[in-house]
Amino acid sequence: SQQGEEDPQALSIQEGENATMNCSYKTSINNLQWYRQNSGRGLVHLILIRSNEREKHSGRLRVTLDTSKKSSSLLITASRAADTASYFCATGSSGNTGKLIFGQGTTLQVKP
Amino acid sequence: GAGVSQTPSNKVTEKGKYVELRCDPISGHTALYWYRQSLGQGPEFLIYFQGTGAADDSGLPNDRFFAVRPEGSVSTLKIQRTERGDSAVYLCASSPTRQGAGETQYFGPGTRLLVL
Repeated sequence: SQQGEEDPQALSIQEGENATMNCSYKTSINNLQWYRQNSGRGLVHLILIRSNEREKHSGRLRVTLDTSKKSSSLLITASRAADTASYFCATGSSGNTGKLIFGQGTTLQVKP
Repeated sequence: GAGVSQTPSNKVTEKGKYVELRCDPISGHTALYWYRQSLGQGPEFLIYFQGTGAADDSGLPNDRFFAVRPEGSVSTLKIQRTERGDSAVYLCASSPTRQGAGETQYFGPGTRLLVL
């Protein structure tokens, strides 16, 4: 079963605009990660935020985490056509298991 | 260095047949994961290995699915009596340390399985 919902399911923007994707989850977590996937194949890790963190930056990426609302957002600033991909949030629980539970993803299209 | 590799890239089989999917993790990574991704969905956890042992197999859908990692490196996912509903992309990932929680996972390109 999947942990939560991502919103929107699809997003289309012009190059240079910012893209914001949201993720909600259901159970308590140890960390939340964002991954990117091109063409339905392997996923690439973008950023990890721990449950005691509220915000994290990596290049043009900004992730926020609100554990009281069980939600996270991913902001991509100054988007490029090469950012076109599917983006997934994934949650990791506490304990010894490393399994991730993924959302259904947001498909982002950046038009040149 | 080399990333996670998976073979075959694509596998077409007939309903009822047996298939094996192979994963070569990044050298030295002790944790290995299998996920399954259906079209338009996010990956769904199947099983997690720490070294040679399955630390969490709660995601395996039924007893037709089995995975091994006999030497703590390469892993094989085995599916018996395949069904059309098994068609999906099977993803493997690995991560460095013995404590799997809270680590980045490095994914392979996946094996696309089609059961006719």
